[in-house]
Amino acid sequence: DSGVTQTPKHLITATGQRVTLRCSPRSGDLSVYWYQQSLDQGLQFLIQYYNGEERAKGNILERFSAQQFPDLHSELNLSSLELGDSALYFCASSVGQTSGANVLTFGAGSRLTVL
Amino acid sequence: AQKVTQAQTEISVVEKEDVTLDCVYETRDTTYYLFWYKQPPSGELVFLIRRNSFDEQNEISGRYSWNFQKSTSSFNFTITASQVVDSAVYFCALSENSGGYQKVTFGIGTKLQVIP
Repeated sequence: DSGVTQTPKHLITATGQRVTLRCSPRSGDLSVYWYQQSLDQGLQFLIQYYNGEERAKGNILERFSAQQFPDLHSELNLSSLELGDSALYFCASSVGQTSGANVLTFGAGSRLTVL
Repeated sequence: AQKVTQAQTEISVVEKEDVTLDCVYETRDTTYYLFWYKQPPSGELVFLIRRNSFDEQNEISGRYSWNFQKSTSSFNFTITASQVVDSAVYFCALSENSGGYQKVTFGIGTKLQVIP
């Protein structure tokens, strides 16, 4: 158990729907990262939060949004879902914000299937 | 701009063979960190090793070894006497401080299959 908790583990929904993925970081970690893993795309960085504030954005679609709450858990909201959004969504956490040395600890992922 | 290239998308080896996973990176920074993560079939990424840009010493941990060469911008990973449990997707990653935040770029991953 990495200490990073993601729910739900699996989610099947229909096109046009909206889902929320939840992540609780490892105890003591202030940074949360969201990644999308599609079949042939590797790990695509979506967004990063540090202590409740957005710090960096990657290839995140406008239909997607996220936030980090005061208790440091984070939610990734995916709306107007399309078939191409089917993927494994990972949350990772790290202690700090700026150091490149921080090791990212990953959760088990949330597998989203859009039908 | 940061870039990580893992040219080998899939590798198959027979158990007990040695195998090397290649990783080539691009960066303009002088201070950066390199990582390898393992993603077994269960799906969760597991941290294997971290190297900073000032430490070119090779590292060995059991059957795993890593060769960092700044001259060729490479950080290759060798598994000696491979085992079926080594079957996984392996990701190389480059991490830097970019504009006040940690920017991590992953390679596309190399899927290793170890055949019994």
